[in-house]
Amino acid sequence: EDQVTQSPEALRLQEGESSSLNCSYTVSGLRGLFWYRQDPGKGPEFLFTLYSAGEEKEKERLKATLTKKESFLHITAPKPEDSATYLCAVQPQEAAGNKLTFGGGTRVLVKP
Amino acid sequence: DGGITQSPKYLFRKEGQNVTLSCEQNLNHDAMYWYRQDPGQGLRLIYYSQIVNDFQKGDIAEGYSVSREKKESFPLTVTSAQKNPTAFYLCASSIGARHADTQYFGPGTRLTVL
Repeated sequence: EDQVTQSPEALRLQEGESSSLNCSYTVSGLRGLFWYRQDPGKGPEFLFTLYSAGEEKEKERLKATLTKKESFLHITAPKPEDSATYLCAVQPQEAAGNKLTFGGGTRVLVKP
Repeated sequence: DGGITQSPKYLFRKEGQNVTLSCEQNLNHDAMYWYRQDPGQGLRLIYYSQIVNDFQKGDIAEGYSVSREKKESFPLTVTSAQKNPTAFYLCASSIGARHADTQYFGPGTRLTVL
């Protein structure tokens, strides 16, 4: 069974304190790994897609990396506006249609 | 402005009632999806549609029904058979249902059963 586990469940950071979020996955083969940001009461906002081990993508203070078993979302010098829940999702090779399997998310709070 | 709209934002249902959640997109996307989100859990797929007049069950389709009569619209009906319908419902779309096409989400509808 495909599984996605995100850790930690919650993360409290001081403004400027860099940290990393982890997304571990178990799939028979990976077609793509997606990162989303979700603000309270709103829909997820797309951040990145990673396709193969060794790939990296950056957007402002966020950097996503991918290995064969996990992905990291690095937040460099975070600001309070980076506070959100970050969701990771994988698409297995055998997935019907465009089906995604989501992790439970990491809630990030950045204090000024 | 292209995007996905969901209505209503909040919905209250009495026990035994069916309710329909609206999802409309003007992105010209072929594929549309419905997910359910519960506190502390990942999003779970209810139904998806790759093309007009066709749809498939996801992981938790029991107690739900959908239709796809127009490319832009993918309404979800939560029936009285759904035992625990209180949740946050998210609609998404992608340009197609090909490998790793990015799914874009609407703002969500929060359904509460009274």
